[in-house]
Amino acid sequence: RKEVEQDPGPFNVPEGATVAFNCTYSNSASQSFFWYRQDCRKEPKLLMSVYSSGNEDGRFTAQLNRASQYISLLIRDSKLSDSATYLCVVNTLVTASKLTFGTGTRLQVTL
Amino acid sequence: NAGVTQTPKFRILKIGQSMTLQCAQDMNHNYMYWYRQDPGMGLKLIYYSVGAGITDKGEVPNGYNVSRSTTEDFPLRLELAAPSQTSVYFCASSYSNGGRMVTEAFFGQGTRLTVV
Repeated sequence: RKEVEQDPGPFNVPEGATVAFNCTYSNSASQSFFWYRQDCRKEPKLLMSVYSSGNEDGRFTAQLNRASQYISLLIRDSKLSDSATYLCVVNTLVTASKLTFGTGTRLQVTL
Repeated sequence: NAGVTQTPKFRILKIGQSMTLQCAQDMNHNYMYWYRQDPGMGLKLIYYSVGAGITDKGEVPNGYNVSRSTTEDFPLRLELAAPSQTSVYFCASSYSNGGRMVTEAFFGQGTRLTVV
């Protein structure tokens, strides 16, 4: 089983739609979770951290489900500018805690 | 505050040449990472370091070497470049207090490498 798994998509949604992504992780001891956004040919940038109680930042909501070992990202009222690849990131514990990136979910928002 | 700085931004190598990709961070982060990203694919971890003098292999280390003599610098060395190493290389850094928590990673702008 991969350490971090995401549906690669693409998710094609119309402007104004609500879209949700899930990401599963294999290590139950993981403590740090993040969602990143990556635009084409650019470096990944932090979108938001994911906290145990869930957190919201404007149109974006992140949730953590420790029992089922997944995190989710909900985007409401999608904008054209939300088109990007969304990366799930989890710290995995091998010899030392390190960040592992999922392969990303591609979102395309259309008119 | 510069964050993570990578040089060069672009490079074309001939097969069999060697080069070093430079990465420096000024955030006093103890963790540093090198990833490669092939077109349309996800990030693959090449090497990482949890502190000066300590490095460890990621999932695709073959053909690469790293060193971490200082907290700030984490150069990636390519020996005997091959076409399969054509990719975009990202360096990143983060902080961990040694427990199970680690902060978010900050990325450099990437190095686009073509081996011909």
